[in-house]
Amino acid sequence: SQQGEEDPQALSIQEGENATMNCSYKTSINNLQWYRQNSGRGLVHLILIRSNEREKHSGRLRVTLDTSKKSSSLLITASRAADTASYFCATVSNDYKLSFGAGTTVTVRA
Amino acid sequence: KAGVTQTPRYLIKTRGQQVTLSCSPISGHRSVSWYQQTPGQGLQFLFEYFSETQRNKGNFPGRFSGRQFSNSRSEMNVSTLELGDSALYLCASSFRAGPSGTGELFFGEGSRLTVL
Repeated sequence: SQQGEEDPQALSIQEGENATMNCSYKTSINNLQWYRQNSGRGLVHLILIRSNEREKHSGRLRVTLDTSKKSSSLLITASRAADTASYFCATVSNDYKLSFGAGTTVTVRA
Repeated sequence: KAGVTQTPRYLIKTRGQQVTLSCSPISGHRSVSWYQQTPGQGLQFLFEYFSETQRNKGNFPGRFSGRQFSNSRSEMNVSTLELGDSALYLCASSFRAGPSGTGELFFGEGSRLTVL
């Protein structure tokens, strides 16, 4: 079963625009991670945010975590064609089990 | 540093056969986990090994099994293949100082299994 659920399922934006996707989860977590997957390839780790953190930045990525609402968001600023991919959130429970959400498919149009 | 290596990359089997997939983690990583990815079910956790011991197991039938060797390389086996086993099987390794904690996962490119 999947703990994290991403929203929206799919997102289409113009190059240069920002892309925002959300992840909601059900039970307490140790940390939450975001991954990117290009079509048919392996996943690439983007960012990890711990349960006691509220916001993290990495280049054009900004992740927020609201443990009271059990939700996280991933913002990609100034999107590029190379950002076209599927994005997954992964929650790590307090007993260290990692569970992926269903993913958000992002298409960046030139 | 070499990444996670999975072999074979592609394979085709028929129903009833069995298959073994291999995963070589990043040097120094002692944790290896396996995932099944399908369009319908998404990424499903199969199992995780740490220092040759299975630490966690997902909700898959006993036809799915795995093991880890002393050099941290891991194999997974699926016996009596069914059509529904067609999927991309992903292996990931991570550096863990002990049996607890899950940080960043490093994924291989996957083994794409087609069952006819």
